[in-house]
Amino acid sequence: DTGVSQDPRHKITKRGQNVTFRCDPISEHNRLYWYRQTLGQGPEFLTYFQNEAQLEKSRLLSDRFSAERPKGSFSTLEIQRTEQGDSAMYLCASSSGQGAGYNQPQHFGDGTRLSIL
Amino acid sequence: DQQVKQNSPSLSVQEGRISILNCDYTNSMFDYFLWYKKYPAEGPTFLISISSIKDKNEDGRFTVFLNKSAKHLSLHIVPSQPGDSAVYFCAASDNYGQNFVFGPGTRLSVLP
Repeated sequence: DTGVSQDPRHKITKRGQNVTFRCDPISEHNRLYWYRQTLGQGPEFLTYFQNEAQLEKSRLLSDRFSAERPKGSFSTLEIQRTEQGDSAMYLCASSSGQGAGYNQPQHFGDGTRLSIL
Repeated sequence: DQQVKQNSPSLSVQEGRISILNCDYTNSMFDYFLWYKKYPAEGPTFLISISSIKDKNEDGRFTVFLNKSAKHLSLHIVPSQPGDSAVYFCAASDNYGQNFVFGPGTRLSVLP
């Protein structure tokens, strides 16, 4: 049983460049989440997919951020025109579940650390 | 505004003793609560959860207590082991599980 995998583990880029991260969830999980974590803080929710549908987006997710989950399998998170404040750890998590009252714990990947020069 | 608070940034406990980590929340819509453990350079690892219909859940050395009227939950680890040294995050979601809110974490150090 492979866990959640994220690629790349580290990304260093210059301000203004675009970056894309990939997340492969646990295969039978229909729910997928993206979070951002900065030093000394807990993960902050960014967005949520149920299968291929993006059902929830945080106010933190500016227009420069976009996420996709084609075919309900892997997901990508793209940041356009990166800024210094985008430097953070980006975490992906997946879980199973359908509808209300059926919560299951999330399983996290090890994250992609983004550094903006 | 922080909907999930962990007011102790750090905690040190002697090996073999009990560790108690606390968490407070403000949103009465939260229905499902979890604890995660995080080691450096790794993603959070799920430890234990509890739904709002229960007030206690136990799994081995880990027990979570929920006090809904006080909007408070705690994680008890007994006996504490040096391998338990990590950052612990409390998290909460509503009944649909579409949005999880995490606390800022408590760094636990278990001293041999």
